[in-house]
Amino acid sequence: QKEVEQNSGPLSVPEGAIASLNCTYSDRGSQSFFWYRQYSGKSPELIMFIYSNGDKEDGRFTAQLNKASQYVSLLIRDSQPSDSATYLCAVRTYNTDKLIFGTGTRLQVFP
Amino acid sequence: ETGVTQTPRHLVMGMTNKKSLKCEQHLGHNAMYWYKQSAKKPLELMFVYSLEERVENNSVPSRFSPECPNSSHLFLHLHTLQPEDSALYLCASSQDRDGTRDTQYFGPGTRLTVL
Repeated sequence: QKEVEQNSGPLSVPEGAIASLNCTYSDRGSQSFFWYRQYSGKSPELIMFIYSNGDKEDGRFTAQLNKASQYVSLLIRDSQPSDSATYLCAVRTYNTDKLIFGTGTRLQVFP
Repeated sequence: ETGVTQTPRHLVMGMTNKKSLKCEQHLGHNAMYWYKQSAKKPLELMFVYSLEERVENNSVPSRFSPECPNSSHLFLHLHTLQPEDSALYLCASSQDRDGTRDTQYFGPGTRLTVL
């Protein structure tokens, strides 16, 4: 089992819709969770981090963490074509104390 | 701009060359990282420095040699690389390595091609 798993996509949503990106992790003791956005040929850009169970909202983005089920998700409301990118989930695991990245989910927002 | 800069942005080198990648952070952070990103693979952590001390070497071949002369600068020295080392090399920094100060910010990366 991979330490951090994401569906590679592509996830295609129409402009204005809600995009839902999911990530599961294997280390139950993980403590820090991050979402990065990466445009093609560019470096990862931090979108949000979350440490506690529940929801955390920042503008059009909402991160949701459920430690009991070991998943973290990112919701993007009112999706725009400019949101088209690969979204990387990263988890700092308790056992290794490293930031482990998933392979990313490619999001396509079409007009 | 994240406050983390990398040079060069693109590098083409032969297998017998020696080159260095440079990273500089202007954020006052204490920890710096080197990552490798290959096509269709997740980001791979290579090295971690905390307060200029190497705290992590993720089984990286010796043809990659890191150097951290101070908390703002990080180098990756390259020699006798292989074509499979071609990738995007990313530098990142964070305030600290634990607690709620572990958010990592990435530089723009160096696209390395080994011929």
